[in-house]
Amino acid sequence: AQSVTQPDIHITVSEGASLELRCNYSYGATPYLFWYVQSPGQGLQLLLKYFSGDTLVQGIKGFEAEFKRSQSSFNLRKPSVHWSDAAEYFCAVLFNTDKLIFGTGTRLQVFP
Amino acid sequence: GAVVSQHPSWVICKSGTSVKIECRSLDFQATTMFWYRQFPKQSLMLMATSNEGSKATYEQGVEKDKFLINHASLTLSTLTVTSAHPEDSSFYICSASPGYKDTQYFGPGTRLTVL
Repeated sequence: AQSVTQPDIHITVSEGASLELRCNYSYGATPYLFWYVQSPGQGLQLLLKYFSGDTLVQGIKGFEAEFKRSQSSFNLRKPSVHWSDAAEYFCAVLFNTDKLIFGTGTRLQVFP
Repeated sequence: GAVVSQHPSWVICKSGTSVKIECRSLDFQATTMFWYRQFPKQSLMLMATSNEGSKATYEQGVEKDKFLINHASLTLSTLTVTSAHPEDSSFYICSASPGYKDTQYFGPGTRLTVL
């Protein structure tokens, strides 16, 4: 079955520390992969996406993600977190239809 | 680029009334628009998919007569919650996509509270 997993429900980091948010999917082929961020009471903002090509993708706000086919993963990273990065992060995947399948989300908390 | 707006951003209504939410793609033409519902501290739940000029396709368990969707043009889709009840209170988010299996760009959401 096609599925998206974000293993970490809640992550807390100190400002300036590095960050990695995990995303795994279950699918027999390479899907289209996205990371979105949602601030409280707001819609979703696209951080980055992967369709094909270079497996290391650069996004907005200093985020990057790496697609690893062998691990069926698309983890989001940032070298130095800012307090304004505190939000909910969603990994989303397009499998063989135009319907986005979302992970359950990871809530990021940043301490000063 | 790729901006999607929603109106209103929040609405409070009495039980039994109908509420219309608009979703507009401001700087691109949206082949497909999607409507989601989000409960507190949860992920997004797809309600329906709409294509311009066609009837919307509803997900299993979503009442099409209660959640009326009209995709009148390539830049506008509306969701009407008919005869709203308190259990319809939720955060409704739309998204728009310029093509099939393309990136979805999301609106800011509409908070609906039914008293």
